[in-house]
Amino acid sequence: NAGVTQTPKFQVLKTGQSMTLQCAQDMNHEYMSWYRQDPGMGLRLIHYSVGAGITDQGEVPNGYNVSRSTTEDFPLRLLSAAPSQTSVYFCASSSWGGPSVTQYFGPGTRLTVL
Amino acid sequence: AQSVTQLDSQVPVFEEAPVELRCNYSSSVSVYLFWYVQYPNQGLQLLLKYLSGSTLVKGINGFEAEFNKSQTSFHLRKPSVHISDTAEYFCAVSDPPEGGSEKLVFGKGTKLTVNP
Repeated sequence: NAGVTQTPKFQVLKTGQSMTLQCAQDMNHEYMSWYRQDPGMGLRLIHYSVGAGITDQGEVPNGYNVSRSTTEDFPLRLLSAAPSQTSVYFCASSSWGGPSVTQYFGPGTRLTVL
Repeated sequence: AQSVTQLDSQVPVFEEAPVELRCNYSSSVSVYLFWYVQYPNQGLQLLLKYLSGSTLVKGINGFEAEFNKSQTSFHLRKPSVHISDTAEYFCAVSDPPEGGSEKLVFGKGTKLTVNP
């Protein structure tokens, strides 16, 4: 049981490049989310998914795409990187069962866009 | 839309002193409330959560929080802190995921520094 894994841990891109941040979980959680963390801003929701084949936008979705073809994987795609996307990205997965919730965050991907 | 205000951006305390980290949220009929801890260069770890039931919630590492609906607050407390509690703490709110959506709204964080 590896929990939530994210790759890569660090990435440097040039403006205009595209890339995919990977996120995987092995807990069969139905919910998965992507957040970005910027200094003094807390975490902001980019996109989320409530199950395979179902995704929706969060607070700051512009410039990012997601898909969820399997329960385990939830990749985040940057279409054309911009310096404003320099941030730390966290993936989370959770399972809600009546009055309880189980939730885990990945270790994060630190992205720099030059 | 939900919003969360963490009233203190930084809280310095001495070891073995009590601490309270304050969190207020915008009003809603029902909410789920969370506190997370983030150690340097790590991801977030869930400290405790309020979903329903008792308004006093106990979490890991000796932390507890009290849900106050009338004041829309969810303050985090620990009676005696350790150096190892030095971290950033985030309060978050979510509407109950009826219909299947989970969307956490985070506060901007409080940096707790425990000094010897």
